[in-house]
Amino acid sequence: GAVVSQHPSWVICKSGTSVKIECRSLDFQATTMFWYRQFPKQSLMLMATSNEGSKATYEQGVEKDKFLINHASLTLSTLTVTSAHPEDSSFYICSARPLTGRGETQYFGPGTRLLVL
Amino acid sequence: AQSVTQLDSHVSVSEGTPVLLRCNYSSSYSPSLFWYVQHPNKGLQLLLKYTSAATLVKGINGFEAEFKKSETSFHLTKPSAHMSDAAEYFCVVSLSGGYQKVTFGTGTKLQVIP
Repeated sequence: GAVVSQHPSWVICKSGTSVKIECRSLDFQATTMFWYRQFPKQSLMLMATSNEGSKATYEQGVEKDKFLINHASLTLSTLTVTSAHPEDSSFYICSARPLTGRGETQYFGPGTRLLVL
Repeated sequence: AQSVTQLDSHVSVSEGTPVLLRCNYSSSYSPSLFWYVQHPNKGLQLLLKYTSAATLVKGINGFEAEFKKSETSFHLTKPSAHMSDAAEYFCVVSLSGGYQKVTFGTGTKLQVIP
């Protein structure tokens, strides 16, 4: 149980295009989902906290208009990288916190590797 | 405020020998503590967690960790390393109760030598 999926796992796009990444909790409901970014050989950096039905809370230094987050349901959150540039190339990981039963534990998706050419 | 420090960025052990990955935390309130493992180009997998129950926590794949409040530590151990244990390990702290953000350590890369 507690499986989180991400789609796509890999994406290559041209500079200036937008890319949408989906994060789904497959066997549980999550009121809260988190989006992280991980640079090579570094730890995860929290970008934003996404709550179902409300606006996401962004961490300091993360551009809201650049990284659009939508948490449309209790099992789906999306991150859209708008007008992507090469510096946006990174490994993006989402996590989901169950609505009930599992306390503070976050369950992570497998990640999406984005390469902007 | 909360923080977590992983004391070693790299740990190298021989296959079959014990593993010790160190983690110290700082938290104003009762923390929840987690260890996650990340294999190359993969997401994070929960190894174990401490949430104010038993101080010695057993996880998957033979790993365990002991919460020591007096030392503010939550070190990860395994009696005998296996080649498949080679990965990046993250110690994570969260305030217990409610929906709190987590704080990640910088990670420890474990190398297992055959």
